Amino acid sequence: AQSVAQPEDQVNVAEGNPLTVKCTYSVSGNPYLFWYVQYPNRGLQFLLKYITGDNLVKGSYGFEAEFNKSQTSFHLKKPSALVSDSALYFCAVRPSGSARQLTFGSGTQLTVLP
Amino acid sequence: NAGVTQTPKFQVLKTGQSMTLQCAQDMNHEYMSWYRQDPGMGLRLIHYSVGAGITDQGEVPNGYNVSRSTTEDFPLRLLSAAPSQTSVYFCASSSALGGGTDTQYFGPGTRLTVL
Repeated sequence: AQSVAQPEDQVNVAEGNPLTVKCTYSVSGNPYLFWYVQYPNRGLQFLLKYITGDNLVKGSYGFEAEFNKSQTSFHLKKPSALVSDSALYFCAVRPSGSARQLTFGSGTQLTVLP
Repeated sequence: NAGVTQTPKFQVLKTGQSMTLQCAQDMNHEYMSWYRQDPGMGLRLIHYSVGAGITDQGEVPNGYNVSRSTTEDFPLRLLSAAPSQTSVYFCASSSALGGGTDTQYFGPGTRLTVL
């Protein structure tokens, strides 16, 4: 069975500093990996995904994520955080070639301090 | 495109009552899913469907029922509401064309409280 771990419930960063939200996964075979963001009282919005190819994936709002197969990680990054980036971030995984639904991590609350 | 829509946005039930959460999508997606979101637990899959007439159980199916009579609609039924079903419910859909690479799109959610 696949699983996702987001080891930090809360990440605080100062505006303008780089941010990292961590994600590790466990899946049989190769993974499809996704990041979603949830703003208060809203649904989940897609940020980016890794399917194959370049390990550095660029997504919406200046976010990027790096796939590391040896460490089974898919950390979300942004070079310069904005106060408006404050939200709940979810990592999700699906085995490649599978029609199975996504398995989500428990989420990381990001707070960007002005 | 309206995307994925859910009704109602908020609902309060008494223990033992039944109700249906509605979900519709206008993207002609084959896959549709229901998740519940609870603090510190992320999203957990309740039921999903890979096409009209086909449904299957997810991680936490007990107390819920689904059917898929059309591509567009995927209602979730609570048979006899319990306080443990107090949660935020999200419907999602995705295409089947990409063999699992497709992005899953989420509705705005239904916040359910069971007293």
